[in-house]
Amino acid sequence: DAKTTQPPSMDCAEGRAANLPCNHSTISGNEYVYWYRQIHSQGPQYIIHGLKNNETNEMASLIITEDRKSSTLILPHATLRDTAVYYCIVRVATGGSEKLVFGKGTKLTVNP
Amino acid sequence: KAGVTQTPRYLIKTRGQQVTLSCSPISGHRSVSWYQQTPGQGLQFLFEYFSETQRNKGNFPGRFSGRQFSNSRSEMNVSTLELGDSALYLCASSLDSPVDTQYFGPGTRLTVL
Repeated sequence: DAKTTQPPSMDCAEGRAANLPCNHSTISGNEYVYWYRQIHSQGPQYIIHGLKNNETNEMASLIITEDRKSSTLILPHATLRDTAVYYCIVRVATGGSEKLVFGKGTKLTVNP
Repeated sequence: KAGVTQTPRYLIKTRGQQVTLSCSPISGHRSVSWYQQTPGQGLQFLFEYFSETQRNKGNFPGRFSGRQFSNSRSEMNVSTLELGDSALYLCASSLDSPVDTQYFGPGTRLTVL
C-alpha cells in the first residue's frame, strides 16, 4: 500500500503557483520523498525528490516539513501543460530490494 | 541521450493468447522495472530486473513473467490472457536501483478482447 495521502483533485489558475500537498506521517528517517507526474496516457515523468532539505530544480520546488511528515510540491507559474496527475511517493524497502509504490495521486487542472 | 523505448505501442489480443512486450532502457541504465496501469487499480508494480536477475516482484499471478538480457533490454510476457489484463504496461529504467530516478517509457497499450 502507498504510504502517502494526497487530495484527489485540485484546480489552479494559469500563471499562478500550484501548491500540491502530501502527507507521509509514517515516513522513516532514511526514506526519500519523490514526485512524479503523468500527463494523460503518457509514462510518468520524474519531477523532484528530497530527504529533509527543501529542493528546487527547473521544474518545481519541494518543501518538506521539519518533522518530515508532510511535503508540498510547488509549481511556481503553472501553465496549461502542467495539467496532469501528480504522484507523491515514499520509497518502500522490501526484502533487501526497493521499489516505488504509486498511490492514486492528485489530478491537477490548470485553468486558463 | 535516447529515452526509454517500448514496443509495440498498441496491441490487441484475444483471451487465452499470450503476449510479449519489449523495453529498451536508457543507455547505461541497468535496472528495469515494469508496471501495470488500469483505471481501477492505478499504477501497480510488476517486477524489477537488474543484471539479468529478477530482484523484486509485485503481487501478480505467475502468468506474468519477465526477463532481462545482457544489454539490459527487458521483455515481459503474459500468458493465457484474460480480459482484466487490458491495461497500459509501463517500463522504467534507472541506473542501479528502482529508487534511483526512474525514467518511464511511453507504455504499451494492451487490449484483450
